[in-house]
Amino acid sequence: EAGVVQSPRYKIIEKKQPVAFWCNPISGHNTLYWYLQNLGQGPELLIRYENEEAVDDSQLPKDRFSAERLKGVDSTLKIQPAELGDSAVYLCASSSPGTTQDTGELFFGEGSRLTVL
Amino acid sequence: DAKTTQPTSMDCAEGRAANLPCNHSTISGNEYVYWYRQIHSQGPQYIIHGLKNNETNEMASLIITEDRKSSTLILPHATLRDTAVYYCIVKPKYNFNKFYFGSGTKLNVKP
Repeated sequence: EAGVVQSPRYKIIEKKQPVAFWCNPISGHNTLYWYLQNLGQGPELLIRYENEEAVDDSQLPKDRFSAERLKGVDSTLKIQPAELGDSAVYLCASSSPGTTQDTGELFFGEGSRLTVL
Repeated sequence: DAKTTQPTSMDCAEGRAANLPCNHSTISGNEYVYWYRQIHSQGPQYIIHGLKNNETNEMASLIITEDRKSSTLILPHATLRDTAVYYCIVKPKYNFNKFYFGSGTKLNVKP
């Protein structure tokens, strides 16, 4: 079974440019998460989706960040315009109701590393 | 939400047991202890979780003290591939999707 797939793995852009990250969760997982991970720190939640609905986006900087999950499957995280401080790894994770209830396990992708110059 | 305290880094000899401690002194009665690890350039990976009983699976063992204020993750025979950052997380019972990863413990397994 395929895991959580993210693309691109690496992205280098200049500040003020836009950037987008894509995530395909594990088939059947209706909960999707975007996390931000700065160097040397643990992941921090940006937004959580239950199907198409963003149920927790309190940590998403809405002035420049946006996310969508059309049809409740794939998701896209966008930054426009990017700033130097946005350089980080953006992780996508998914979980299914049964799995979450029983083990609390999140399945993570490999992440998208963003460098803003 | 309860917070956790972990050492910044630890060393372990290959083939020996790695014991990773975690303090969670403010844990409440219904909160679980979870462990994840993150190998370089990969996403975090679930290892094990527990409420108050000791737990064991194919990857590791989890020992939770009787007062539940601390726990230890045990990798019985560490290999070089176990070199990673290990996160101890306390998860609120009714908020299944709120994980606070903290900074974790960098485990260095040496030959």
